[in-house]
Amino acid sequence: DAKTTQPPSMDCAEGRAANLPCNHSTISGNEYVYWYRQIHSQGPQYIIHGLKNNETNEMASLIITEDRKSSTLILPHATLRDTAVYYCIVRSPYSGGGADGLTFGKGTHLIIQP
Amino acid sequence: EAQVTQNPRYLITVTGKKLTVTCSQNMNHEYMSWYRQDPGLGLRQIYYSMNVEVTDKGDVPEGYKVSRKEKRNFPLILESPSPNQTSLYFCASSLSAGVEKLFFGSGTQLSVL
Repeated sequence: DAKTTQPPSMDCAEGRAANLPCNHSTISGNEYVYWYRQIHSQGPQYIIHGLKNNETNEMASLIITEDRKSSTLILPHATLRDTAVYYCIVRSPYSGGGADGLTFGKGTHLIIQP
Repeated sequence: EAQVTQNPRYLITVTGKKLTVTCSQNMNHEYMSWYRQDPGLGLRQIYYSMNVEVTDKGDVPEGYKVSRKEKRNFPLILESPSPNQTSLYFCASSLSAGVEKLFFGSGTQLSVL
């Protein structure tokens, strides 16, 4: 069963904030929320991660609801180069089937419109 | 520049001809991993390595071998490639397994005829 649910695609105008939602209603207490993105067949790129507090770095902000059942990735001023597939991943520190526990689903294809 | 380097970027080969895809990282990372990406299936882990001389199977290890003789290198070996191994392959590394972020290489597009 998928641990996260994301919309398959979204559009956003260049220069506007892109808000990408993710539902993870079955998240457990020690699982982090990670966001990666993949620009057309390139290697996935780490964006941000968090446990329960909101986080911000030079790329994006991550807002996690108080019950931790959903989160939103915010790209504050989207550019054309932000067009990519964005993956929301719930990850425990040490999970079976591979030490990194990263399971990439289908993600959200974000298209930035000029 | 901190990076994970994979070679080659593109590779076309024939069934049964042994090949190696190289992966190297310059960040002194302990953890390295190989994935394959296929349409509709997402990224699936092939093998991983917690440290030098320590490797373990991921979700889809059949038909692949790896070795970790040095910290920086983690080659993926296909002893007898078959067409169902046609895929986009990614190598990744992180400081350690667990919650550390993964750094991915640029990928190797392999076609087995």
